[in-house]
Amino acid sequence: DGGITQSPKYLFRKEGQNVTLSCEQNLNHDAMYWYRQDPGQGLRLIYYSQIVNDFQKGDIAEGYSVSREKKESFPLTVTSAQKNPTAFYLCASSPRTGGAGWGDTQYFGPGTRLTVL
Amino acid sequence: AQSVAQPEDQVNVAEGNPLTVKCTYSVSGNPYLFWYVQYPNRGLQFLLKYITGDNLVKGSYGFEAEFNKSQTSFHLKKPSALVSDSALYFCAVRDGSAGNMLTFGGGTRLMVKP
Repeated sequence: DGGITQSPKYLFRKEGQNVTLSCEQNLNHDAMYWYRQDPGQGLRLIYYSQIVNDFQKGDIAEGYSVSREKKESFPLTVTSAQKNPTAFYLCASSPRTGGAGWGDTQYFGPGTRLTVL
Repeated sequence: AQSVAQPEDQVNVAEGNPLTVKCTYSVSGNPYLFWYVQYPNRGLQFLLKYITGDNLVKGSYGFEAEFNKSQTSFHLKKPSALVSDSALYFCAVRDGSAGNMLTFGGGTRLMVKP
């Protein structure tokens, strides 16, 4: 978990609310990622960013939004459009996303557990 | 498309015995393969990876994995299990010939009993 921090550790949301999850890294990595983890389903990619002011949708981007205004920060907003947001959210970073020929390792933060009340 | 399968939801092993956690993959190009471990309510910790070179990869905490191209497998192994190895293990794959993201398996829970 070293070098990547996520806050808060636990978050509770009421129906219809937007909430923002924080992710910060001090590893000087170019690429950052957001994953959602549900029991028995492994990790699914929500959004990723290869460089500041640029990001791409992953496999399950609907109901989520991100920004990348600084290299070290990649916050995730869970909007009211996300129908089933209760999950464990993991942020990761890597030196680069890895084009052909690269095998950069992704390093993960400690996670945020979001519960909808 | 790329995919990875972990056929066992749970593996039980006695402390001191060897352990194997299975992983098979499917990619169009060259596979880049990773193993991660997750302890309860924590993030994933990197264990080891295969990019190229020797088929036997050694990683953290005494774990190793063997890349088998003909069987499209990358099983995680450890010669002697510890109770503290009990955790959730994830295999992940990326097509090294394309700029794809990682695809994770569903995870295997390892239970090591004293």
